[in-house]
Amino acid sequence: NAGVTQTPKFRVLKTGQSMTLLCAQDMNHEYMYWYRQDPGMGLRLIHYSVGEGTTAKGEVPDGYNVSRLKKQNFLLGLESAAPSQTSVYFCASTPAGRTAGVNYEQYFGPGTRLTVT
Amino acid sequence: ELKVEQNPLFLSMQEGKNYTIYCNYSTTSDRLYWYRQDPGKSLESLFVLLSNGAVKQEGRLMASLDTKARLSTLHITAAVHDLSATYFCAVIPQGAQKLVFGQGTRLTINP
Repeated sequence: NAGVTQTPKFRVLKTGQSMTLLCAQDMNHEYMYWYRQDPGMGLRLIHYSVGEGTTAKGEVPDGYNVSRLKKQNFLLGLESAAPSQTSVYFCASTPAGRTAGVNYEQYFGPGTRLTVT
Repeated sequence: ELKVEQNPLFLSMQEGKNYTIYCNYSTTSDRLYWYRQDPGKSLESLFVLLSNGAVKQEGRLMASLDTKARLSTLHITAAVHDLSATYFCAVIPQGAQKLVFGQGTRLTINP
């Protein structure tokens, strides 16, 4: 049971290049999330998904697209990278639903460190 | 829009001392999470607080939740160097399915 994995771990891009970050989870979780973390800041939600085939915008969605074609995978795409997208990206997942008193803890991947020059 | 504020943002303390980190949030929520992050690492779940008055303890860390005051505290007792890390609180607003994080508290414990 690997939990939440992210690929790649590190990447350097030039301005204008594109790339896709892959998040995979083997816990059969319904909900998946992409965050970015910048120095001195907490995590900010980019996009999230509440099930296969669904996506929704978070707090900072501009410049990113996502897809959830399979339940276990959540992809984050940068179509035209900008230096402002230099950050550490974390993926997380959690079981479905929201029931009072039930702990729907988010499980985080190891992170992808992206530098855009 | 839910805002989550932690204070202090930076805390340097000596081993053996006690201290408290505060987490305030601006709208109704019935669940609050505390995470620990070591430099260059991912987030590790510490506590999940699901109801008013909830208190959880693990070793030298104790977390509590007051939903009426919209306040959670993370208390450190007799700090040791191994507790040096950044601590985040995060809140799920009622009716939402996403976490909103505080800015984090960078804790440094000196021998």
